[in-house]
Amino acid sequence: DIQMTQSPSSLSASVGDRVTITCRASQGIGIHLGWYQQKPGKAPKGLIYVASSLQSGVPSRFSGSGSGTEFTLTISSLQPEDFATYYCLQHNSYPRTFGQGTRVEIK
Amino acid sequence: EVQLVESGGGLVQPGGSLRLSCAASGFTFRNYWMDWVRQAPGKGLEWVANIKEDGSEKYYVDSVKGRFTISRDNAENTVYLHMRSLRAEDTAVYYCARSLDGWGRGVLVTVSS
Repeated sequence: DIQMTQSPSSLSASVGDRVTITCRASQGIGIHLGWYQQKPGKAPKGLIYVASSLQSGVPSRFSGSGSGTEFTLTISSLQPEDFATYYCLQHNSYPRTFGQGTRVEIK
Repeated sequence: EVQLVESGGGLVQPGGSLRLSCAASGFTFRNYWMDWVRQAPGKGLEWVANIKEDGSEKYYVDSVKGRFTISRDNAENTVYLHMRSLRAEDTAVYYCARSLDGWGRGVLVTVSS
């Protein structure tokens, strides 16, 4: 199975900060990676697909990059509604695997 | 708008069975792979299974192979997850997802005596 490792596991940031979350795959997955946002008690919401494409309706302050084994999710200017947990997911091979999550908290 | 509504969850004893359903609307169901993803209380997301548009291919995470079966009815726009030999570690919120880009609200399954 492909292991997905996110870093950091949690971070504290202020509104307006630039935030970067990294996801590393244990083997190459091309660009078969998505990013998801989840708020407490809610279903995950897709943000990014195929590593860098923005899902419809997602604000442009979110961006994704990377290929192979290293990927990043960047929030250019953190907004109050962005405090949540973020997950990466590889869909290059089975079983699909998620990262362990990065919790973004208010500083 | 993609709408996915899960049902069938609840409390079941260890070793028991349950069938989850996910009713889809707002898109052409027969054109999409469908997935189930679960989340144990206080834990991260775990992909469980998926099924091809016509039902001809199905994939599972190892921990549920031989116990869970995914199926679909394209006439009814519904995907199912048949779960048997349930264990305490299967306790989770189960989400139905359209090719992992649109998600239902989830349904809670609790396995406990």
